[in-house]
Amino acid sequence: DTGVSQDPRHKITKRGQNVTFRCDPISEHNRLYWYRQTLGQGPEFLTYFQNEAQLEKSRLLSDRFSAERPKGSFSTLEIQRTEQGDSAMYLCASSFRAGSEKLFFGSGTQLSVL
Amino acid sequence: GESVGLHLPTLSVQEGDNSIINCAYSNSASDYFIWYKQESGKGPQFIIDIRSNMDKRQGQRVTVLLNKTVKHLSLQIAATQPGDSAVYFCAETLLADSWGKLQFGAGTQVVVTP
Repeated sequence: DTGVSQDPRHKITKRGQNVTFRCDPISEHNRLYWYRQTLGQGPEFLTYFQNEAQLEKSRLLSDRFSAERPKGSFSTLEIQRTEQGDSAMYLCASSFRAGSEKLFFGSGTQLSVL
Repeated sequence: GESVGLHLPTLSVQEGDNSIINCAYSNSASDYFIWYKQESGKGPQFIIDIRSNMDKRQGQRVTVLLNKTVKHLSLQIAATQPGDSAVYFCAETLLADSWGKLQFGAGTQVVVTP
């Protein structure tokens, strides 16, 4: 399978703990995006990278959220001091070139904060 | 603020019939629209897109119609099959500002009955 891969698929954590999710985009894609989706809602944009540069992060929900893409390939999304309101599906997507809005999504990481 | 929304949260359709999923958008500046399909436990899957200089675009068993006058978008699925059961999202963006930041609506659940 050469699609967008996310790990883990599910994460259960206690409030106050830190969590990190990984995304491996389609190999030739230079753009990578993080979205968040709550039940019954459409995905909500968080941040994106072009290669290793994070070009938009104003939509990250708070300073507890951070994302990296150190070598322009895989990316990580970290949430520090998790809260129950962070419970959601975290989706990663990638696209091939600038100006292409045809995003390919992974299956997401479902986070549950107890 | 401006947003994308859907008229019907749930659409029940008999197998073999045609489905029509509607979407209203309120940002008159949006010039690119996408329909995504999301099956349970999976990420959104691209179905079809349309730019604002078009009013109709056809794919395999799907047609997207855009009415800019009333800011309305629809997705027509011909000969609906059980595999079409999913949540369908419309998304919009402004290409000049866009780099994959899509504004998604809340989604319509399509249930295909035998």
